[in-house]
Amino acid sequence: GAVVSQHPSRVICKSGTSVKIECRSLDFQATTMFWYRQFPKQSLMLMATSNEGSKATYEQGVEKDKFLINHASLTLSTLTVTSAHPEDSSFYICSARGSPLEQYFGPGTRLTVT
Amino acid sequence: AQSVTQLGSHVSVSEGALVLLRCNYSSSVPPYLFWYVQYPNQGLQLLLKYTSAATLVKGINGFEAEFKKSETSFHLTKPSAHMSDAAEYFCAVIDEAGGTSYGKLTFGQGTILTVHP
Repeated sequence: GAVVSQHPSRVICKSGTSVKIECRSLDFQATTMFWYRQFPKQSLMLMATSNEGSKATYEQGVEKDKFLINHASLTLSTLTVTSAHPEDSSFYICSARGSPLEQYFGPGTRLTVT
Repeated sequence: AQSVTQLGSHVSVSEGALVLLRCNYSSSVPPYLFWYVQYPNQGLQLLLKYTSAATLVKGINGFEAEFKKSETSFHLTKPSAHMSDAAEYFCAVIDEAGGTSYGKLTFGQGTILTVHP
């Protein structure tokens, strides 16, 4: 149980285009999901907290107009990187909160912007 | 704010040797602490967690960690390393404060474990 999926696993897009990443909780409902970013050889940095039915809460320094988060249902949150640039290339990981002290992580999405 | 520090970005051991990955926390209240493992190009998998019950926590794959309040530590150990243990390991603490911070995980810098045959 407690499986979280992400789609796509890898995506390559051209500079200036937008790309959407989906995060799904497959066997449980998650009112809260988290989006992280991980640069090579670095730790995970929280970008935003996604709450079902309400606006996402962004961490300091994260541009909310560039990284659009939508959490329209209890099993799906999406992250859209708008007007992507090469510096947005990274590994994006989502997690879904199953209980107050438990987060289940997706397998990650490798974004490459050319 | 709560934080964790992992000492040593790289640890190398021989197969069969003891694994010790260090994590120290900074918290004004008893924290909830976690160890995760990440294999290349994959998400994170929970190894174990401390939630103020037993101070010695046993996890998956033979790993365990001991919460030591006097040392503000939560080191991860495994008696005998296996080749399949080679991965990156993250210590994390969860924010129990209310409001928008609730449930947020803060990760340490990560420790890459290499296992030599």
